[in-house]
Amino acid sequence: EPEVTQTPSHQVTQMGQEVILRCVPISNHLYFYWYRQILGQKVEFLVSFYNNEISEKSEIFDDQFSVERPDGSNFTLKIRSTKLEDSAMYFCASSKQGHRETQYFGPGTRLLVL
Amino acid sequence: KQEVTQIPAALSVPEGENLVLNCSFTDSAIYNLQWFRQDPGKGLTSLLLIQSSQREQTSGRLNASLDKSSGRSTLYIAASQPGDSATYLCAVPDGKIIFGKGTRLHILP
Repeated sequence: EPEVTQTPSHQVTQMGQEVILRCVPISNHLYFYWYRQILGQKVEFLVSFYNNEISEKSEIFDDQFSVERPDGSNFTLKIRSTKLEDSAMYFCASSKQGHRETQYFGPGTRLLVL
Repeated sequence: KQEVTQIPAALSVPEGENLVLNCSFTDSAIYNLQWFRQDPGKGLTSLLLIQSSQREQTSGRLNASLDKSSGRSTLYIAASQPGDSATYLCAVPDGKIIFGKGTRLHILP
């Protein structure tokens, strides 16, 4: 069964460094999402992406964040200058036809900012 | 603004018991409602999705119901097993998905 994959599974970085989290959505899906979960807290929406542009973003998704679909398969989340509070689990998700359908989640990337 | 609440926050039950997890949402104008399972430190596994036109969905020992008018959903787990121990998340789409905080379930062997 097709699944969403994410790399790396874990990343440790120093405050102020740039990180890029990678996702490969399910191949025939058209909508892509990033969520994050700070330890012990709710899963929170960051951004949705469709037709090569951001369709919606939350207030968390400030200028330090960007997303890109650099080729036909990868979907990336870049954090330009990481802060301690960016430490979280980051989940990528994809769906065939938007939020009215099931979103399939990847296993997550655990980011630790020191 | 849509908010999702899950009660209880944590639950421990002996193996073999049937149990019910509760979810409530503030805006009843939803397209669907989804239940996920999350194991510690892991990703999210979709368990069931109920469309707004449906009242319930079943998958194996799991049954999810939806009452849009009252803003509630329940996840019923029959004959619980230690392998069911996990956090169960309820989520509704509102452009993006809005998640509840989850119910942490522990099945005692």
